[in-house]
Amino acid sequence: GIQVEQSPPDLILQEGANSTLRCNFSDSVNNLQWFHQNPWGQLINLFYIPSGTKQNGRLSATTVATERYSLLYISSSQTTDSGVYFCAVEEAGGSYIPTFGRGTSLIVHP
Amino acid sequence: DAGITQSPRHKVTETGTPVTLRCHQTENHRYMYWYRQDPGHGLRLIHYSYGVKDTDKGEVSDGYSVSRSKTEDFLLTLESATSSQTSVYFCAISESGRKNTEAFFGQGTRLTVV
Repeated sequence: GIQVEQSPPDLILQEGANSTLRCNFSDSVNNLQWFHQNPWGQLINLFYIPSGTKQNGRLSATTVATERYSLLYISSSQTTDSGVYFCAVEEAGGSYIPTFGRGTSLIVHP
Repeated sequence: DAGITQSPRHKVTETGTPVTLRCHQTENHRYMYWYRQDPGHGLRLIHYSYGVKDTDKGEVSDGYSVSRSKTEDFLLTLESATSSQTSVYFCAISESGRKNTEAFFGQGTRLTVV
């Protein structure tokens, strides 16, 4: 099956800093999503981004499907950005099954 | 927010007892999934369903069974719970056959097997 690797595994920032999270995948994909798991455990959809670039406030994401990676940018980080960020991909071929990376744990200090 | 409800939200059970977790959706989505989340592993697929009575195994299916008798309900059963099944369980839904197959997750069920 497809392999999904996220980096870095852990990230600690001061409030106001910018960061880039990376997701690499081993095969062609039909779909890629970014999720934020907040400290209460809830999985929140951030982006559905099989290709191209999207922005939502301080967050933006870019997927380069031909090179098999996606990036999540967080600008002017806030303490509420803390949590775990997951990338999930749906392998090309019609499986419709999201496969997750192990996540990036982000802590933002005030 | 996607209409997904998991029940119960928390459960403590004893080793060897059967446990059933329920996922209910109001979105009429075709695909439903059960994942477990453990430290250091991210989310791993247990079983999934692609329609009523159509289910298949995922990466970590041993010790689990599922049933889907209605579009809106997907049940996960631990026939005889073991301590290794202590975990947080998430249900997800997605549509298929369309351009957007975005997945949405329930709030999770924390299961402790003692």
